[in-house]
Amino acid sequence: GAVVSQHPSRVICKSGTSVKIECRSLDFQATTMFWYRQFPKQSLMLMATSNEGSKATYEQGVEKDKFLINHASLTLSTLTVTSAHPEDSSFYICSADLESTSGTYEQYFGPGTRLTVT
Amino acid sequence: AQSVTQLDSHVSVSEGTPVLLRCNYSSSYSPSLFWYVQHPNKGLQLLLKYTSAATLVKGINGFEAEFKKSETSFHLTKPSAHMSDAAEYFCVVSDSPGGSWGKLQFGAGTQVVVTP
Repeated sequence: GAVVSQHPSRVICKSGTSVKIECRSLDFQATTMFWYRQFPKQSLMLMATSNEGSKATYEQGVEKDKFLINHASLTLSTLTVTSAHPEDSSFYICSADLESTSGTYEQYFGPGTRLTVT
Repeated sequence: AQSVTQLDSHVSVSEGTPVLLRCNYSSSYSPSLFWYVQHPNKGLQLLLKYTSAATLVKGINGFEAEFKKSETSFHLTKPSAHMSDAAEYFCVVSDSPGGSWGKLQFGAGTQVVVTP
């Protein structure tokens, strides 16, 4: 249980186009999902917190108009990179919060999406 | 505020020898601490977590970590390295109250190389 999927796993797009990445919790409902970005050989940086039915909360320095996040249901959050440029090329990873039987929440991570902008 | 420092960016060990990955943290609250492993082009896998219960935490694949508040450390160890342990390891801290992991702060990562 507690599987998070991402689609697509890899995407190549031309500069100036937009790309949508989906994050799904397959066997549980997630009120909160998170989006991270990972540059090659670097750590994960939190981009935004996505809450179902409300606006996402972006971390400092992340352009909300460029990285559009929609959490329309309890099992799906999407990240759209608008007007992509080569510097947006990165590995994007999502995670989803799941309440455990002890009442605490645990984050489960998706496999990531490799975006390459040419 | 919370932060985490992984003291080694790269660790090389021989197969069958012990592995030690060092992590120090800072946190305004009682922290939750985690170790994740990431194999090339794969997602993150949780190895173990500390959430204010036992200070010695056992995880999957023979890994364990000890929470030492006085030293603000959470080092990861394994008695005997296996070739499949070659990967990137991340130490992660969260100090969100209320039982939710909330925002996770990732360390810079330690690349582990295992030689035959």
